[in-house]
Amino acid sequence: EDQVTQSPEALRLQEGESSSLNCSYTVSGLRGLFWYRQDPGKGPEFLFTLYSAGEEKEKERLKATLTKKESFLHITAPKPEDSATYLCAVQAAGGTSYGKLTFGQGTILTVHP
Amino acid sequence: GAVVSQHPSWVICKSGTSVKIECRSLDFQATTMFWYRQFPKQSLMLMATSNEGSKATYEQGVEKDKFLINHASLTLSTLTVTSAHPEDSSFYICSARDPGHPNTEAFFGQGTRLTVV
Repeated sequence: EDQVTQSPEALRLQEGESSSLNCSYTVSGLRGLFWYRQDPGKGPEFLFTLYSAGEEKEKERLKATLTKKESFLHITAPKPEDSATYLCAVQAAGGTSYGKLTFGQGTILTVHP
Repeated sequence: GAVVSQHPSWVICKSGTSVKIECRSLDFQATTMFWYRQFPKQSLMLMATSNEGSKATYEQGVEKDKFLINHASLTLSTLTVTSAHPEDSSFYICSARDPGHPNTEAFFGQGTRLTVV
């Protein structure tokens, strides 16, 4: 069974204080690892897809990295508008459900001005 | 880019009634859509996979007779919560991927907040 565990559950940062979120996963062959941002009362908003160990992707203050067991979402000099829940999800290779994602429980990020 | 639209964004219904939620892919034809449920401060839990023109595939523990899924066209899937009870109150979210671009992200609807009173 595919499993995704995110840590910490909640993270409070001061504006400008860089940090990282962790996503550990167990999957029977990784097709892709996804990072999403979710604001309260809304659906997840896509951030990144990583496909193989060693891959990195960046978008503004965010950078996602991937190893064979975990992924990190690095946030550099965060701003209050970065406050949200960050979700990690994996898609297993093969199987019958194309596109099916298994999500972690998320990290609630709060950035104080 | 591709967009998935969900309707309604919120609904309040009386216990024992049924509620239908729609999920539409606006820019592409989705042969497969996914329905998730999210309880407060918890992550998304997959309920079922909706397949166009065939029966949905339900995850373990999800009652198929209670959560009816219809995927009658390549751009529309519906989730009907039948005989709703307060414990069905939750945030329901659908998603779809563009089969023409398999190595792309899943697009999510904006979610539907269901409150059963």
